[in-house]
Amino acid sequence: KAGVTQTPRYLIKTRGQQVTLSCSPISGHRSVSWYQQTPGQGLQFLFEYFSETQRNKGNFPGRFSGRQFSNSRSEMNVSTLELGDSALYLCASSQGQPGNTIYFGEGSWLTVV
Amino acid sequence: AQSVTQLGSHVSVSEGALVLLRCNYSSSVPPYLFWYVQYPNQGLQLLLKYTSAATLVKGINGFEAEFKKSETSFHLTKPSAHMSDAAEYFCAVILSGAGSYQLTFGKGTKLSVIP
Repeated sequence: KAGVTQTPRYLIKTRGQQVTLSCSPISGHRSVSWYQQTPGQGLQFLFEYFSETQRNKGNFPGRFSGRQFSNSRSEMNVSTLELGDSALYLCASSQGQPGNTIYFGEGSWLTVV
Repeated sequence: AQSVTQLGSHVSVSEGALVLLRCNYSSSVPPYLFWYVQYPNQGLQLLLKYTSAATLVKGINGFEAEFKKSETSFHLTKPSAHMSDAAEYFCAVILSGAGSYQLTFGKGTKLSVIP
């Protein structure tokens, strides 16, 4: 059974640009969530989607957005990139109930220069 | 509001010694609790989770954790450390109430194993 797949794994962008990250959840999982990991702030929740609807949103500016498609694949977009957006972005999938196991992908490393 | 506190950002143990990583949570409702491990340049791997069944939870790689409601703790232990256990460990919580599906993580504890 394939795990959570994130693409691209590594990318470098310039300030002011935008970026789109992709996540394919485990087959059968309808919930996809995104987390940002930085040395200073640790792991922070961005948002969670279930059956194409955003259920939860973390405390991030509107430059951070996401969506989920009918096949449960998800994308997150960051517009007008800032240096502070440099981070590891982790996608996670689950069946969508609070006690379910949440599986993480390998992450996408974003560097903003 | 819920929060997770991991005591000790860095823990060093000798190979073969007991591993004890501490996690305390604050939650007004019964929580679901998780321990994840992260190896360098990798994502998070689930070690174990507590979902209100047995209070002593056994996980992968010989790790276990005990849920103690009176102490609001969920400490992670392993009887004998192995070199391959060197990694960063994260404790996380999800509230069991309706409408909450996000993990709140502690700051992490980096475990070093000394040969």
